Amino acid sequence: EDKVVQSPLSLVVHEGDTVTLNCSYEVTNFRSLLWYKQEKKAPTFLFMLTSSGIEKKSGRLSSILDKKELFSILNITATQTGDSAVYLCAVEANNAGNMLTFGGGTRLMVKP
Amino acid sequence: DTEVTQTPKHLVMGMTNKKSLKCEQHMGHRAMYWYKQKAKKPPELMFVYSYEKLSINESVPSRFSPECPNSSLLNLHLHALQPEDSALYLCASSRIQGYEQYFGPGTRLTVT
Repeated sequence: EDKVVQSPLSLVVHEGDTVTLNCSYEVTNFRSLLWYKQEKKAPTFLFMLTSSGIEKKSGRLSSILDKKELFSILNITATQTGDSAVYLCAVEANNAGNMLTFGGGTRLMVKP
Repeated sequence: DTEVTQTPKHLVMGMTNKKSLKCEQHMGHRAMYWYKQKAKKPPELMFVYSYEKLSINESVPSRFSPECPNSSLLNLHLHALQPEDSALYLCASSRIQGYEQYFGPGTRLTVT
């Protein structure tokens, strides 16, 4: 069975800190790994990673995938209170349905 | 138009009621998804439509009935629900299956 595990479960930091969120996976026929940010309602798409070692960057957020060790990290530098959210990692398998398997999420709280 | 919209935002229904949730996107996406999300848990896939045809039904009870009348619209018909069906129902779409999914804001459903 496909499995996605995120750590830590929750994290409290102060504004300006840098955080690293982890996502490890066991998936048959891996296709891609996606990161989402979920505040009050819908998950918002952040990154889609398909190749190892290539960093994707958007402002203060960046992410990288290691397909050999089966994990990804999401970095947020100079955190702001607006970064407080649940960060979801999801892995897509190259099967008939291309379904997403979600991790349990990391709940990040950034204090002023 | 780069968003997925869902109506209603909130819905309270009794166990004998029949109601429908609606999801719409005008991004030309040909894959649409229904997810159910309970509090503090990741989204769980319910159904996938690809090119207006039901592609995946994740063993969802028949009291949930999806419908895809055209490529922009996805409905979820609800009948004889149970209180444990109370959750946030999220719709998502992607260019085709296998591309990143974009989520709507969700409908918060309460079954009394």
